[in-house]
Amino acid sequence: DIQMTQSPSTLSASVGDRVTITCRASQSISGKLAWYQQKSGKAPKLLIYKASTLDTGVPSRFTGSGSGTEFTLTISSLQPDDFATYYCQQYSSFSTFGQGTKVQVK
Amino acid sequence: EVQLVESGGVVVQPGGSLRLSCTFSGSSFDDFAFHWVRQAPGKGLEWVCLISWDGGTSYYADSVRGRFTSSRHNDKNSLYLQMRNLRPEDTALYYCAKTYAADPYSYLDLWGRGTLVTVSS
Repeated sequence: DIQMTQSPSTLSASVGDRVTITCRASQSISGKLAWYQQKSGKAPKLLIYKASTLDTGVPSRFTGSGSGTEFTLTISSLQPDDFATYYCQQYSSFSTFGQGTKVQVK
Repeated sequence: EVQLVESGGVVVQPGGSLRLSCTFSGSSFDDFAFHWVRQAPGKGLEWVCLISWDGGTSYYADSVRGRFTSSRHNDKNSLYLQMRNLRPEDTALYYCAKTYAADPYSYLDLWGRGTLVTVSS
């Protein structure tokens, strides 16, 4: 099974900050990586798929990058609506989620 | 509007059984594969299983294999998760989610709101 290691688990930041979350796969996943945002009490929402493609309606301040086993999600200028928990998901072999990164107010 | 609605979550005793349902509307049900994903209280997302567009293929996480069975009824636009021999660690909010297309190995572009299963005596 492919394991996904996401870091950090918690991130404290301020509005306007640049934020980066990392996801590492235990083996190559050929770019089959998605990022989701989950707000408290809500279902996850797809942000990025194929490692770097923004889903419809997702603000351009979100950027996904990486290949092979190393991937990042960057928020260029954190907005109040972005405080949430973020998960990566590999879909190369069945599916696995990372442990999540909570972005909280500094 | 395309949406997924889960139902069937209740409180059940350890060792018990339960069937969850997920109803899809707003698009062609058999164009998509579906996944079940769960989230224990205060914890992260855990993938549970996937089912192909025609129900012919299913795969399960190690934690549920042999106890959970996914099925679908395309004529009813519905997806099911039969859960047996439930354990306290199965307590979670269970989400159904659809894949982008028929490929079951895909990202999940639409999620339901979830249904809560509590396993407790």
